[in-house]
Amino acid sequence: ILNVEQSPQSLHVQEGDSTNFTCSFPSSNFYALHWYRWETAKSPEALFVMTLNGDEKKKGRISATLNTKEGYSYLYIKGSQPEDSATYLCAPPFDQGGKLIFGQGTELSVKP
Amino acid sequence: DAMVIQNPRYQVTQFGKPVTLSCSQTLNHNVMYWYQQKSSQAPKLLFHYYDKDFNNEADTPDNFQSRRPNTSFCFLDIRSPGLGDAAMYLCATSSGRGRGYTFGSGTRLTVV
Repeated sequence: ILNVEQSPQSLHVQEGDSTNFTCSFPSSNFYALHWYRWETAKSPEALFVMTLNGDEKKKGRISATLNTKEGYSYLYIKGSQPEDSATYLCAPPFDQGGKLIFGQGTELSVKP
Repeated sequence: DAMVIQNPRYQVTQFGKPVTLSCSQTLNHNVMYWYQQKSSQAPKLLFHYYDKDFNNEADTPDNFQSRRPNTSFCFLDIRSPGLGDAAMYLCATSSGRGRGYTFGSGTRLTVV
């Protein structure tokens, strides 16, 4: 069974704060890592797919890094805004077949 | 816009009364997934279809069944819902194994 851990489970920050959270996964048999953002009452939305050790991807104020040797990925949000409030999920594929195994998510709340 | 639609958004059912959740997609993706997410837990894969090929997860209860009559539609049937089946049910599609997901907005099931 693939064990995916995300920390912290929840995070409360003020508007303008920068924040980061972690996704840990088994480093053996790594294929890829997916990040999703899930806002309340909406569909989870794909943020990044990361495949190479040392990958760094950026989308606006959000960026992510990947370390496949030690089995972790960091997601950073620079200058958090209330619209960043969401649950952030990470998921490596179980195998080459591609079914994603999700972590429990980090719930981010950004207060104005 | 091409999308994944889940109906209904909220479903209340009685203990033991069969219930069906539906998912439709306009993306023409050949892979469809059903996930169950209980409060503050990771979304858990129940089963998936690769075209008409049905794949059940080993720990999915027998109480859960699925149908995919055509590419566009997929149904989740819960034969005798128990209180423990109250959860958010997410449908997702993918254009192929190893590809990212497009999610519906979920159906929140309450069992009374």
